[in-house]
Order: sequence, then C-alpha cells, then structure tokens
Amino acid sequence: KAGVTQTPRYLIKTRGQQVTLSCSPISGHRSVSWYQQTPGQGLQFLFEYFSETQRNKGNFPGRFSGRQFSNSRSEMNVSTLELGDSALYLCASSSGDLQETQYFGPGTRLLVL
Amino acid sequence: KQEVTQIPAALSVPEGENLVLNCSFTDSAIYNLQWFRQDPGKGLTSLLLIQSSQREQTSGRLNASLDKSSGRSTLYIAASQPGDSATYLCAVEYTGANNLFFGTGTRLTVIP
Repeated sequence: KAGVTQTPRYLIKTRGQQVTLSCSPISGHRSVSWYQQTPGQGLQFLFEYFSETQRNKGNFPGRFSGRQFSNSRSEMNVSTLELGDSALYLCASSSGDLQETQYFGPGTRLLVL
Repeated sequence: KQEVTQIPAALSVPEGENLVLNCSFTDSAIYNLQWFRQDPGKGLTSLLLIQSSQREQTSGRLNASLDKSSGRSTLYIAASQPGDSATYLCAVEYTGANNLFFGTGTRLTVIP
C-alpha cells in the first residue's frame, strides 16, 4: 500500500506570493491533517479535514487555508507569504477514527525569501 | 494550556547502551500518546502508539510506557545502534481533539 505523498517536496517563494501544497493520503484514509514544523516553534497543528469538511483547526491566521476533495486528497494554501512561513509542512493521514495512528508524509519544505 | 515537554533535548550514547527518553504532558485527559522518529529533513515515522487504557507497548527493541496520572511517558531503547540516531518526538492526542500536540523532541546520537 502506498504511503502518504506530498508535492512538491521543495519550494522557494518570495514575500507576498501565495503557495499551494498538495497531499495524497493512504488509500482508504478519509482524514488528512496538516502540520507546520519550524526550528523555533516545533510541530504545530494547522487543520484537519475529514470527508471534505474541516473538522478541526489550529491557531493560525486566516492566510492559511485548506480543502479536501472527494478522493480525500487535500491541498493547503498560504496567501501573502511572510518570511516566518518558511517551514517544513507535513501532512498526515488516518482512517479518521479516534485513537488511530496517523501516518505522515515526507513533507514540503517551503523557503520564503 | 496543553503542553508536551521532552527531556533531554539532546543525548549522545555509545553503541550498545540502553537508554530512556522522557515525555511529560500537562493534561491527563488524553486519548493516546504516540512516539515518532524523524530523520534529518524527513517526515515522521510512527514507532509506538499507546491507548489511554494501556500502560505500555513494545516493538522490537523499543518499549513505551504511559502513566496518565503523573502525566509521563518514557521510550526505552535497548541495545542502541548507530541507525537509531534521529530525533524522537512524542505526541499526545487529547480528549475532544482530533489533532496531535507534539513535544520539542530529543535528538539522539548513537556513537559507533
């Protein structure tokens, strides 16, 4: 069974631009969560989608948004990029049931110049 | 505030030693606790998941324990190997939340 895939793996943008990241979950998984990892803040939860609906949201500004498609693939969008948005963005998939293991993708490393 | 703390932040041990990594959390109302491994520049690999009703889980040379009342978990690694070198993260799923709260991690180096 294929694992979680994320595209692109690396991205360089400039301040003020916007970016869209993609995540394909493990086949059969209906939940996709997004996390931001930075050296200063560690891993922080952005949001979770389940069956095309945002089920949970972390404490990030509205510039960060996401969506999920009917095939469970998810996209995350960041508008008006800031230098502080430079980070490793990880997505995780699970069945969506509570107390189930989350499986993480390799991440997208975003550098904002 | 629901916080997860890991001590130590970094650890170096000679190959073959047994070691313990610590994780503490502030709220005992948890669904589960998970230990992950992260290699440099890579994603997370799940090592062990302990349900709130369990006290420990074992996988090969790894053993994780959970004490909800004291808000602590430990990851025991037996007979460490250079390939165990990585950052180890614990993550807590609290009751009522569908997301993980991560600790800051312990960077482990096993010296050949």
